[in-house]
Amino acid sequence: DQQVKQNSPSLSVQEGRISILNCDYTNSMFDYFLWYKKYPAEGPTFLISISSIKDKNEDGRFTVFLNKSAKHLSLHIVPSQPGDSAVYFCAASGTGNQFYFGTGTSLTVIP
Amino acid sequence: EPEVTQTPSHQVTQMGQEVILRCVPISNHLYFYWYRQILGQKVEFLVSFYNNEISEKSEIFDDQFSVERPDGSNFTLKIRSTKLEDSAMYFCASSEDSRELDEQYFGPGTRLTVT
Repeated sequence: DQQVKQNSPSLSVQEGRISILNCDYTNSMFDYFLWYKKYPAEGPTFLISISSIKDKNEDGRFTVFLNKSAKHLSLHIVPSQPGDSAVYFCAASGTGNQFYFGTGTSLTVIP
Repeated sequence: EPEVTQTPSHQVTQMGQEVILRCVPISNHLYFYWYRQILGQKVEFLVSFYNNEISEKSEIFDDQFSVERPDGSNFTLKIRSTKLEDSAMYFCASSEDSRELDEQYFGPGTRLTVT
């Protein structure tokens, strides 16, 4: 039962352009969302989060947008840099400690 | 910067054998977690642990699994009798607070291969 979906397994973007990673969820009880970045041979690292009371959260080059009616969130990276090349996981949580992760999107930023 | 460490980085075992995956969380953290990621699939929550007991577990975490904090620094995941489908990356994480989920720090993972 995939409650969080990332439908694009991979994405390639030119350096300096915008990267847009998408995530959809099915559970309307989710109220907290996060993006994690993962490099090969490392654990996921927290990138940015958003709670359901907001529709946008910005941190430097990273912005997360939440559309509750569409049950959709997206991560924008602008400008994209080669060091951003990694796998990006979307995760969601409702009550409790349990997080539901998407399958990840592999981003390649081409110099 | 403090970090979560995990050993071994790669464990190969035969089906039916017991394995213990080890994690050293960040020293002042109180909440501990195990996740797994089967190759090509999503990261899945297994269990959370606080105050020497399981606080939450997923459906995956059945009687074959157990967790322990044996000595105040290590946090272990034991799989009693491994199955082929247990092959995955297992990530340990720790946090100071249970609700501050963006403060979960992940270890580099242990790749478990069951043959």
